[in-house]
Amino acid sequence: AQSVAQPEDQVNVAEGNPLTVKCTYSVSGNPYLFWYVQYPNRGLQFLLKYITGDNLVKGSYGFEAEFNKSQTSFHLKKPSALVSDSALYFCAVRDITGGSYIPTFGRGTSLIVHP
Amino acid sequence: DARVTQTPRHKVTEMGQEVTMRCQPILGHNTVFWYRQTMMQGLELLAYFRNRAPLDDSGMPKDRFSAEMPDATLATLKIQPSEPRDSAVYFCASDSPRGYTGELFFGEGSRLTVL
Repeated sequence: AQSVAQPEDQVNVAEGNPLTVKCTYSVSGNPYLFWYVQYPNRGLQFLLKYITGDNLVKGSYGFEAEFNKSQTSFHLKKPSALVSDSALYFCAVRDITGGSYIPTFGRGTSLIVHP
Repeated sequence: DARVTQTPRHKVTEMGQEVTMRCQPILGHNTVFWYRQTMMQGLELLAYFRNRAPLDDSGMPKDRFSAEMPDATLATLKIQPSEPRDSAVYFCASDSPRGYTGELFFGEGSRLTVL
């Protein structure tokens, strides 16, 4: 069975500082990994994904994520945080074993960027 | 700008009443997911359809919840009778044609309050 862990319920960072939101995963086959962002009273929006290839993937709004197979991690990063980045962030994994392809989401991490 | 449309955005009802939530997936997307979001449980998968056929509804309380796709442009989630513990935000998401390597496209959600 696949699973995703986001060990931090909340991350606080000052504007202009780098940010990291952590995610670890467990799948039986090759991982297909995603990050989504949710602003208040909105649906989830896709940020970026790792399917194959370069371990560092770049996405929307200046975010990037690094796939680390040995540590089974896919941490979300941004070099310089903005107050407008404050939102709820979800990591997700899709498992192709069994053919279901159902995405599993982490519980989410609330990112708060202080001015 | 293609998007998933959900109605109603907000619904307040009394315990015991029937509630129907509707979702229009993005044209051409053949897989539809229903998720429920609460503070306590995070994002829970309730059901999903591929090519209008239900593939997994194991996350859905069968005695009161039902999900259908009458046609390719409409998915419905019905609760009858509703209970206060059903209060949550219900999201519909459709899957891009790239299948399991693709990201989900979420609607803005239906916020349900059962009094």
